[in-house]
Amino acid sequence: SYVLTQPPSVSVAPGQTARITCGGNNIGTKSVHWYQQKPGQAPVLVVYDDSDRPSGIPERFSGSNSGNTATLTISRVEVGDEADYYCQVWDSSSDHVVFGGGTKLTVL
Amino acid sequence: EVQLVESGGGLVQPGRSLRLSCSASGFTFSTYSMNWVRQAPGKGLEWVSYISSSGSTIYYADSVKGRFTISRDNAKSSLFLQMNSLRDEDTAVYYCARDPGGKNGMDVWGQGTTVTVSS
Repeated sequence: SYVLTQPPSVSVAPGQTARITCGGNNIGTKSVHWYQQKPGQAPVLVVYDDSDRPSGIPERFSGSNSGNTATLTISRVEVGDEADYYCQVWDSSSDHVVFGGGTKLTVL
Repeated sequence: EVQLVESGGGLVQPGRSLRLSCSASGFTFSTYSMNWVRQAPGKGLEWVSYISSSGSTIYYADSVKGRFTISRDNAKSSLFLQMNSLRDEDTAVYYCARDPGGKNGMDVWGQGTTVTVSS
């Protein structure tokens, strides 16, 4: 089955740039989606199809995908961005949705 | 307002059954695929099941295949998850999520309903 690997945690100071990676075999050939989940809340889609943003999501959130790594980039990080972030793809070989293990973003 | 509201969670003994519901409003439910996604306490997101807009295509995670059944009633804008032979490891918050299809991800999520499997 297809596996997505995320770092358990990423720390960044306010105003800096956070980069959260999502590794998978030839992930660059897949469409990657990113979700933000704050404690006690449901996930929220922040980037879809590698790099598109849903309406209402700040331009500070961006994504890229190439080779074996997809990346969610959060520019000018704010305290309110502190959350768990999950990447997700559709694995057509198994007809399964696959989530990464999640990354906890801490804003120092 | 586009909204998904789950219900039906609760405390259930191992081996018993439970049926979750997800009520949709604010959009044309019959034109969207839907997913169930769960999250065990302190753990990450785990996909459970997918159903196409018409209900003709259904997929399950290996961990629930043969025990859970996803279904929908488009006339009532409702999604269901019948969970049989429940195990301790099925304890989780269960979310329903809208799936526009293509390369759009899951763009609307409910607030979740909690299922606790324990004797």
